[in-house]
Amino acid sequence: KAGVTQTPRYLIKTRGQQVTLSCSPISGHRSVSWYQQTPGQGLQFLFEYFSETQRNKGNFPGRFSGRQFSNSRSEMNVSTLELGDSALYLCASSLEDSRSGNTIYFGEGSWLTVV
Amino acid sequence: AQSVTQLDSQVPVFEEAPVELRCNYSSSVSVYLFWYVQYPNQGLQLLLKYLSGSTLVKGINGFEAEFNKSQTSFHLRKPSVHISDTAEYFCAVYGFGNEKLTFGTGTRLTIIP
Repeated sequence: KAGVTQTPRYLIKTRGQQVTLSCSPISGHRSVSWYQQTPGQGLQFLFEYFSETQRNKGNFPGRFSGRQFSNSRSEMNVSTLELGDSALYLCASSLEDSRSGNTIYFGEGSWLTVV
Repeated sequence: AQSVTQLDSQVPVFEEAPVELRCNYSSSVSVYLFWYVQYPNQGLQLLLKYLSGSTLVKGINGFEAEFNKSQTSFHLRKPSVHISDTAEYFCAVYGFGNEKLTFGTGTRLTIIP
């Protein structure tokens, strides 16, 4: 069974640009969540999607957005990139939404560098 | 608001010695508790979780953790560590108030041969 797949794995963007990151969850998983990992702030929750609906959102500015498609694949978008957006972006999937306590499986992440 | 505190940012341990990684949390509502491990340049992998029931939880790779509600702690233990346990370990709490998974800052476990 394939794990959580994130693309691209590495990318470099310039300040002011926008970026779209993609996540394919484990087959059959309906919940996808996104996290930002930085040395300074650690792991921070961005958002959770379940059955194409955003269930919850973390404390990030509106430049950070996401969506989930009918096949449970998810994308997150960051507009008007800032240097501080440089981070590892992790996607995770689970069978049901977070209230179930189902095990969350993480992808290997997308490394974003903003220059 | 919920929070997680991992007091030890780095823990060096000799190979085959026991280890305890500490985690304390604060939450005003019911919680789930988790320990994740992150190997270099990889995503996170679940070690174990507490949802309800027995307070002693056993996980993969010989790890276990005990939920202590009165002390709001969920310390991770292993009786004998191996070189392959070198990694960063994250404690996380899911609170039913805000329904978000909050991570601690992580503990880097270094095994000394």
